[in-house]
Amino acid sequence: DAKTTQPPSMDCAEGRAANLPCNHSTISGNEYVYWYRQIHSQGPQYIIHGLKNNETNEMASLIITEDRKSSTLILPHATLRDTAVYYCIVRVNFGNEKLTFGTGTRLTIIP
Amino acid sequence: DSGVTQTPKHLITATGQRVTLRCSPRSGDLSVYWYQQSLDQGLQFLIQYYNGEERAKGNILERFSAQQFPDLHSELNLSSLELGDSALYFCASSATGSSYNSPLHFGNGTRLTVT
Repeated sequence: DAKTTQPPSMDCAEGRAANLPCNHSTISGNEYVYWYRQIHSQGPQYIIHGLKNNETNEMASLIITEDRKSSTLILPHATLRDTAVYYCIVRVNFGNEKLTFGTGTRLTIIP
Repeated sequence: DSGVTQTPKHLITATGQRVTLRCSPRSGDLSVYWYQQSLDQGLQFLIQYYNGEERAKGNILERFSAQQFPDLHSELNLSSLELGDSALYFCASSATGSSYNSPLHFGNGTRLTVT
């Protein structure tokens, strides 16, 4: 599986943009970058995914570098409810598909 | 609401017992995944089914087994339970089993406590 590296923790002021980085230097050409978050002990929540183009949805934006070795998840106006562990995952699919979660980034939104 | 339903929400049982966790995937999703999350640990992939057949297997113990039924719901069976099996068990579903472009949607989990 392509490995991802994320900072263990980050803080962000409420109302500001939260920018969460992820390195995935061993990513293959057909692997998507996925972002999920887990609030306390709830089930992980899908946020966004992309291949090589930048993506935006109602929750967030995903910026993927041209060489695809890193990406940034942007929460444009962070609220206290965005406090969670954010996971960056590279989706692999070689016939034995699985989605491996690392340790993620614990994002704390500060009032 | 992800559309994935897991029952029961909580389960308390004794060591040596057997339990069954149930998962109903989102409407139209063919693939079901099971994950285990122990206290303060990451999510560990256990097993995946696609349209009734086992597709991928992770670090699933021999005491654990799963199946996906014709109506696409899935059950995870845990037997000879040990204290260390206490964890959150999550089910997820996705539309396909082999697409790179198919997000997983998770249920809210079953919290298993083995005493």
